[in-house]
Amino acid sequence: NAGVTQTPKFQVLKTGQSMTLQCAQDMNHEYMSWYRQDPGMGLRLIHYSVGAGITDQGEVPNGYNVSRSTTEDFPLRLLSAAPSQTSVYFCASSYAGTGIYTFGSGTRLTVV
Amino acid sequence: AQSVTQLDSQVPVFEEAPVELRCNYSSSVSVYLFWYVQYPNQGLQLLLKYLSGSTLVESINGFEAEFNKSQTSFHLRKPSVHISDTAEYFCAVTESSGNTPLVFGKGTRLSVIA
Repeated sequence: NAGVTQTPKFQVLKTGQSMTLQCAQDMNHEYMSWYRQDPGMGLRLIHYSVGAGITDQGEVPNGYNVSRSTTEDFPLRLLSAAPSQTSVYFCASSYAGTGIYTFGSGTRLTVV
Repeated sequence: AQSVTQLDSQVPVFEEAPVELRCNYSSSVSVYLFWYVQYPNQGLQLLLKYLSGSTLVESINGFEAEFNKSQTSFHLRKPSVHISDTAEYFCAVTESSGNTPLVFGKGTRLSVIA
């Protein structure tokens, strides 16, 4: 089915470990974004991309890296996980100029 | 830059009663406005959107929202809620170019009481 696929759905990391959250979309959307959701904080933008090779920082980029080598994929990397990065992470994508985003089902990350 | 304020973090309401979830936004340019719904342990689903045209927009499950430019508001209403409407609701804004990421409010948790 067409949509935004996030893997894994759940992950537990130890402090200092690294990992990559995967996000892939098959709708040929130009725009992709990563958000984190924390209780009482809504969704906060981490990084976003308007096309392959183009990325920019959002509201809470520290501790996260991204790259966009293809239109389909937008991985989010945690280089050295911290307990403050315990959260639910959502990836979203849209066609340029529409503002209408499709969201993945999320990755629940716990850092201990 | 845009910002969104959802004025109520939690709204309890009895089944079949009306409800209004309030959303105000701030922007120096024209905007698109959205309401997303998140059911327990699920992702976000688009509930309704205002892009242009009629300021009153409706969803298929009875919700409506009205864009009020002078009051910079986009409140969500339903005349009669059901238990199944229990969820968290997020208001979001982006520039009307559609070329900037969505900015979300902090959410309103709607609890429908039998």
